[in-house]
Amino acid sequence: GENVEQHPSTLSVQEGDSAVIKCTYSDSASNYFPWYKQELGKGPQLIIDIRSNVGEKKDQRIAVTLNKTAKHFSLHITETQPEDSAVYFCAAGESGGSNYKLTFGKGTLLTVNP
Amino acid sequence: GAGVSQSPSNKVTEKGKDVELRCDPISGHTALYWYRQSLGQGLEFLIYFQGNSAPDKSGLPSDRFSAERTGGSVSTLTIQRTQQEDSAVYLCASSLAHGGGYEQYFGPGTRLTVT
Repeated sequence: GENVEQHPSTLSVQEGDSAVIKCTYSDSASNYFPWYKQELGKGPQLIIDIRSNVGEKKDQRIAVTLNKTAKHFSLHITETQPEDSAVYFCAAGESGGSNYKLTFGKGTLLTVNP
Repeated sequence: GAGVSQSPSNKVTEKGKDVELRCDPISGHTALYWYRQSLGQGLEFLIYFQGNSAPDKSGLPSDRFSAERTGGSVSTLTIQRTQQEDSAVYLCASSLAHGGGYEQYFGPGTRLTVT
C-alpha cells in the first residue's frame, strides 16, 4: 500500500519568512495530492491540492510543487503570518477507479512567531 | 452551506462501555469516510461508505468497531467494550463521489476519552 513520509515534524519561523514542508510517497499510481491545515480543536481543512498532470499550483501565499519522478511534493507558504500557525498534513490518493483512500503523512506543526 | 457535522464533540466513557459516534455529511455527498487521529499522529483510515455500502472495512482496528450508514446520509461509528487505547479523535469526512481524487471535507471530530 501507499506510504507517505512528511518532514519536518515541527517548524518554527518568524513572521514574514517562508515555510516549506516536504512529503514523499511510495505508490507510483498515486496522482492526487491534497494538503490540509488543522487548527487546534478543529477538523482538517483542505487548503490546496495538486494532480499529477501539473508540476506546480499557486493560490495567493500558498504553492504546492510535485515531482512525480522523485515521488515527492512540497507545500510552500510565503510571507507567513501568525494565523498560519497550525498542523499541516499532506496526503496521497489515486484518482479514479475503485481506489478511494487518502494516505496521510504524520503532520507538521508550524509555528509562526510574531 | 453547512459542512460536515459530528456529535458529540467530546465523549468520556468508562472502559468496557459501548459508545456511538455520529456523522452528518455534506448534503449530496455520496461518499463518507471515518478516520482516527491519535495524539501526535496522522490520520488513520477506518472505513469508507459509498451510499449505504461499505466496500472496505479493513481499516477497522478490531471487531469491536462497526459502522453503518442509513439513507445515504448519516453514519454511526460504534465501539463496543471500549478500551483505553481507543482514546483518540474520530474524524468523519465526506466527498461528492468515491475515488481518491475527490476532495474530502472533514468534520470537527469527536474526542473520545476512555477512562
